[in-house]
Amino acid sequence: GAGVSQSPSNKVTEKGKDVELRCDPISGHTALYWYRQSLGQGLEFLIYFQGNSAPDKSGLPSDRFSAERTGGSVSTLTIQRTQQEDSAVYLCASSRRGNYGGASDTQYFGPGTRLTVL
Amino acid sequence: EDQVTQSPEALRLQEGESSSLNCSYTVSGLRGLFWYRQDPGKGPEFLFTLYSAGEEKEKERLKATLTKKESFLHITAPKPEDSATYLCAVQEGSYIPTFGRGTSLIVHP
Repeated sequence: GAGVSQSPSNKVTEKGKDVELRCDPISGHTALYWYRQSLGQGLEFLIYFQGNSAPDKSGLPSDRFSAERTGGSVSTLTIQRTQQEDSAVYLCASSRRGNYGGASDTQYFGPGTRLTVL
Repeated sequence: EDQVTQSPEALRLQEGESSSLNCSYTVSGLRGLFWYRQDPGKGPEFLFTLYSAGEEKEKERLKATLTKKESFLHITAPKPEDSATYLCAVQEGSYIPTFGRGTSLIVHP
C-alpha cells in the first residue's frame, strides 16, 4: 500500500512569511509524529498525534509552530513568521497505534519537506 | 546525558569488509529498539524492531542484535549500495522513541 507522503517536497520562503507543511499518513495509522532534522543533526521530535488529539506537544520549539490533524488522517504543520533557523528537513511519520499498551510501535517515515528560509 | 548513543559517527569500509555499528542506550524499561536506514535527501527507511535481549533479526547483509545495554547492526560483505546513514531509536515505556545521531557508512568499491 501507499506509504507516508509529504508535500511540498521543497519549500523556499522569505524570512517572516508563514508556511504550511502537509503530511498524509499510512491509511489506518492512528499515530502521527512530526520531526525536524537539521544538517548533520539527529531527529528532533516536535509533536505527536493520537487520532486528532496531540497528547505530546513538548518538542515544538516556539509558539510560532503549531500543528493540527483532521479526520484522524492528514496533518498540517504551520510555522508562522519563519526565521532562518527554521531551515531544516521536516519529517512526518505514522504508526499503527502510538504509545498505548501492547508492543512497541514501529514508525514509518515520509520523504520529508526541505524548508529553506532566506 | 544522551539516552541513545551511536558509534562510530562515521565509518568507511571497502566492499566486502564486514563490520558492526553500535547503539548503546540507558533507558530502563525498553519497549523496543528500532533500526532505520536513511539515504541522502530521503526519509528514514525502517529496517528492524527488536524487543528483548537476545533477539536477532536479519535482512540480506544486515543482522541486528540486542543486549540489555546495546544493539549492534552487523554488516556482512557490504556493497557500495549499503552506503547510507543508519539510525537507531529506543522506546522506553509509553514514551516517544528517542533517536540517536546516526552512523554515516560509506562503502568504497
